[in-house]
Amino acid sequence: EVVMTQSPATLSVSPGERATLSCRASQSVSVNLAWFQQKPGQAPRLLIYGASTRATGIPARFSGSGSGTEFTLTISSLQSEDFAIYYCHHYSNRPPGEFTFGPGTTVDNK
Amino acid sequence: QVQLLESGGGVVQPGRSLRLSCAASGFSFSNYGMNWVRQVPGKGLEWVAVIWNGGGDRYYADSVKGRFTISRDNSKNTVHLQMDSLRAEDTAIYYCARIHRALDYWGQGTLVTVSS
Repeated sequence: EVVMTQSPATLSVSPGERATLSCRASQSVSVNLAWFQQKPGQAPRLLIYGASTRATGIPARFSGSGSGTEFTLTISSLQSEDFAIYYCHHYSNRPPGEFTFGPGTTVDNK
Repeated sequence: QVQLLESGGGVVQPGRSLRLSCAASGFSFSNYGMNWVRQVPGKGLEWVAVIWNGGGDRYYADSVKGRFTISRDNSKNTVHLQMDSLRAEDTAIYYCARIHRALDYWGQGTLVTVSS
């Protein structure tokens, strides 16, 4: 079973600053890695899939990189609406399927 | 547009059963795998189960294996989660989510509370 870890647990950033979030897999997941944003009372929203492809409608300030076991989500210039929890997620696109979430990184206002 | 709407949540006693449903619209349902993911309020996300588009391939998290059953009715564009032998630790918001380039669309969730 793949175990996902994220760092830091909390990231304090001011609007306009750059935010860099890290995710590590316990074994290689190739590029089967997604990032989600979740705000209070809302369902998670897909930001990035395939480690680096932005989902439909996601602003260009969000970018993903990495492969294998090390991944990064970068928010180039944080906007006020970006304060949220961010989860990385290993997924499969075919059976049998393995789906694992990281514990999340909270991005809050410094 | 793609929409997923969960229903069936509520308060249930330990050891009892509950059946969740997720009604899908706005896409060709039979062509997509579907998942259930849960979240204890204020905590992280936990994958629960997947059923692939053919319906024959189903897989579960170890925490629910043998107690939960995922199924789908492609004629009604619906996926279900039958939850038996419920425990207090099953208390969570349950989301259904479509698989396409990761879990690309999610419902708003339905709250299940297991309590005596």
